[in-house]
This record gives sequence, C-alpha cells and structure tokens, in this order.
Amino acid sequence: NAGVTQTPKFQVLKTGQSMTLQCAQDMNHNSMYWYRQDPGMGLRLIYYSASEGTTDKGEVPNGYNVSRLNKREFSLRLESAAPSQTSVYFCASSDLGQPDYYGYTFGSGTRLTVV
Amino acid sequence: AQTVTQSQPEMSVQEAETVTLSCTYDTSESNYYLFWYKQPPSRQMILVIRQEAYKQQNATENRFSVNFQKAAKSFSLKISDSQLGDTAMYFCAFMNPQGAQKLVFGQGTRLTINP
Repeated sequence: NAGVTQTPKFQVLKTGQSMTLQCAQDMNHNSMYWYRQDPGMGLRLIYYSASEGTTDKGEVPNGYNVSRLNKREFSLRLESAAPSQTSVYFCASSDLGQPDYYGYTFGSGTRLTVV
Repeated sequence: AQTVTQSQPEMSVQEAETVTLSCTYDTSESNYYLFWYKQPPSRQMILVIRQEAYKQQNATENRFSVNFQKAAKSFSLKISDSQLGDTAMYFCAFMNPQGAQKLVFGQGTRLTINP
C-alpha cells in the first residue's frame, strides 16, 4: 500500500541514550516533515526537508538531527535523549505539485518514552 | 508567522446531533490552504476536509462541511448526524503553499460522541 512507513511504533529510552526514527515514503513526494505531538499543544514541526538534499529547522529543533538519505527516506535522530523528548512523533510527506493535492500523508506515529 | 487557534479543548454531544468545532488563524497571506484532520484513538492522522482560500465556496465531504470566513480568518467544521465513530481529536491546520508548504496546527479539540 502506498504511503508513509514509520518505525518503530513504540520505544522506551533511558536518559542519555540515542536512537534514530526511520521514515520512508513511496508517494514520490518532494517534501518530508517530522512533527512531535504533545497534549494540549497540537503537532509542532521539528525539522523538514523541502526537497532531496535540503533540510531545515522547524519550530522545535533542539536536541534533534535529521538526514534526508534520498527522495524516499527522512530519518530523525536523538543524540542524547531527555525526558522532555517524551512525545509522539509523526513523519509526513507532501507534494503540492502533484495533481489533486489532498494534503499531507502521515505515518502511523512513534510513541517515545524517555525515562 | 502563522498561528492557528482552537478555543474548545473538549466537546461532547449525543449521537445524531450536529456539532461545530471552531478554528481561527492569523496570516497576512491571501492564498493558502486550510485543513481539518481527525485523530482517532488509533493515533492515525486522517484528512477530513480541505479548503483553498481562493475558493469562496465552502468545502463539503458527506456529513462534514466547513464555514470558511476569510475576512474573519475563521474556519469552523460542522459534523452533521454525528456518529460514535466520529469520536476523536480534531486538528485545524494552515498551510502557506509558497516555499516549504509547512503545516501549522491548532491545539486540537477532543470530541466525544455519546450514545
């Protein structure tokens, strides 16, 4: 099925550990995004990649790094996890240039707990 | 920077009733997209409806319709004949189609449909 595949679905980390969240899309979209969702705050943009080879900071980039490996894949790395990074993370892709644009395609989310 | 405000953190209605969720936004742009997303307990982000600002006609999708008031910067969602499956978080979102096409989300409204 076409869409955005995000792994893992759940993860528990200890403070100071590192991990990478993987995201891949087969929609042939140019743009990809990482958001975090916290109660009462909606979804906030961490990093984005407007096109292959480019990445930029979003609203809440501190403590994160990203890699746009190719057009399909966009990973999010936590170098030294902190309890404040406990959240649900969503990857998404989009391409306004495609016909019948209907908005973002989201992955199923990763629930990350940092203890 | 654009902002999106959902002033109703929680709402609750009886099955088959009509409910309206409010959303206001702030922008200086004249062309943009507005979206409503549904997030059921499964956590999946599901597009409910979208509106392009240059289109004066309000978007509709079956039981879902919007009241788009561009001058007032208001974008409310009406759900008619509400069903138990409509129970979810609902997010209003704004997108400037220029540049990176980033989605800016409101804080969300938790809607409960009671039997």
